[in-house]
Amino acid sequence: TAGITQAPTSQILAAGRSMTLRCTQDMRHNAMYWYRQDLGLGLRLIHYSNTAGTTGKGEVPDGYSVSRANTDDFPLTLASAVPSQTSVYFCASSDSSGGATGELFFGEGSRLTVL
Amino acid sequence: GQNIDQPTEMTATEGAIVQINCTYQTSGFNGLFWYQQHAGEAPTFLSYNVLDGLEEKGRFSSFLSRSKGYSYLLLKELQMKDSASYLCAVMDSNYQLIWGAGTKLIIKP
Repeated sequence: TAGITQAPTSQILAAGRSMTLRCTQDMRHNAMYWYRQDLGLGLRLIHYSNTAGTTGKGEVPDGYSVSRANTDDFPLTLASAVPSQTSVYFCASSDSSGGATGELFFGEGSRLTVL
Repeated sequence: GQNIDQPTEMTATEGAIVQINCTYQTSGFNGLFWYQQHAGEAPTFLSYNVLDGLEEKGRFSSFLSRSKGYSYLLLKELQMKDSASYLCAVMDSNYQLIWGAGTKLIIKP
């Protein structure tokens, strides 16, 4: 079972360039999330989507945008990358149909370096 | 502000028991979660506590005291594969997860 697939696994990007991190899930989960993970810090929520067609801002949304055109896909776009966006990005999903249990299923992560 | 505190790093011996503590201050409480994350991999769900007390799941147990804003993860019969980071997270009143920075557990033979 695939679960959540992220692409690319890693990327080096020049500052000022745009980049889209892809995330696809095959579990038919309602909710999807994008987190960034930096050394010494907890996971920080960038954007989330509770259901297809809706998105919301998390703790650190600036410089990022998302869309949720369907249940399966939740791409994250950096319009003009800056070095502070160097991080490991995790996409996650949860099945909120039974209530907010909080069990998240994570993709394998995308390591982004902005130079 | 909201805050989750857990030790940065712990070391334990194979076959022993280790307790990883987590204290929290959040706006509301809708459950506490423990995740395991091996180096270079994704976090995976370990446990969920919403009521006070101990939840046991095989070699792993998780304890919660809501009045003290405190939880611990207890790992018994440690194995080398338990070397990982352990992340504590609390769901606040808005049903958003607040994450601790994680505790890196090093297991020595």
